[in-house]
Amino acid sequence: DAKTTQPPSMDCAEGRAANLPCNHSTISGNEYVYWYRQIHSQGPQYIIHGLKNNETNEMASLIITEDRKSSTLILPHATLRDTAVYYCIADDLYNQGGKLIFGQGTELSVKP
Amino acid sequence: KAGVTQTPRYLIKTRGQQVTLSCSPISGHRSVSWYQQTPGQGLQFLFEYFSETQRNKGNFPGRFSGRQFSNSRSEMNVSTLELGDSALYLCASSSTGRTRSTGELFFGEGSRLTVL
Repeated sequence: DAKTTQPPSMDCAEGRAANLPCNHSTISGNEYVYWYRQIHSQGPQYIIHGLKNNETNEMASLIITEDRKSSTLILPHATLRDTAVYYCIADDLYNQGGKLIFGQGTELSVKP
Repeated sequence: KAGVTQTPRYLIKTRGQQVTLSCSPISGHRSVSWYQQTPGQGLQFLFEYFSETQRNKGNFPGRFSGRQFSNSRSEMNVSTLELGDSALYLCASSSTGRTRSTGELFFGEGSRLTVL
């Protein structure tokens, strides 16, 4: 499984876009990029995933560079409720078994 | 649709005891995974069950075990508890166990175990 690298913490002003970077320089062609977040004292929550193309859903957008060595999760209008630890995970397409390797993640603080 | 339910939410045990934690997945989900979360080690994969069979296992000692029943409910057991087993134990379910088909694991709120 590819190792991902994320900054340990970031701040964002409420209402502004939060851009969370992730480096995965050793990612293989079979590995998707997943993002989860964990709000304090809750279980992790799936946000979005992608392989090559940029993806968007009701929660966020995922921008993956053309060489797939890095990606950015974008929360377009951050609210106080988006304060959480955000995990970027590279997972093998053919990995069966509910196993995700979580790193230390980025602790995002959204401030009024 | 009810989410993943874990019981108990909180429990306190003493060293040497054993503990059993329960997880009820989302209705229709056949895969259940277990994770341990500690401040020092973060989120670590314990094992995964699919259709009553353990399909994947993390690097934990044999004191950690689990099982899955025919209704997909799962239990994990930790025997001979150690202080270092104090953690939040999280259960996650997915519809097929092929997480890349949906990209999504649904996590419960966790069971917080304190070992004294």
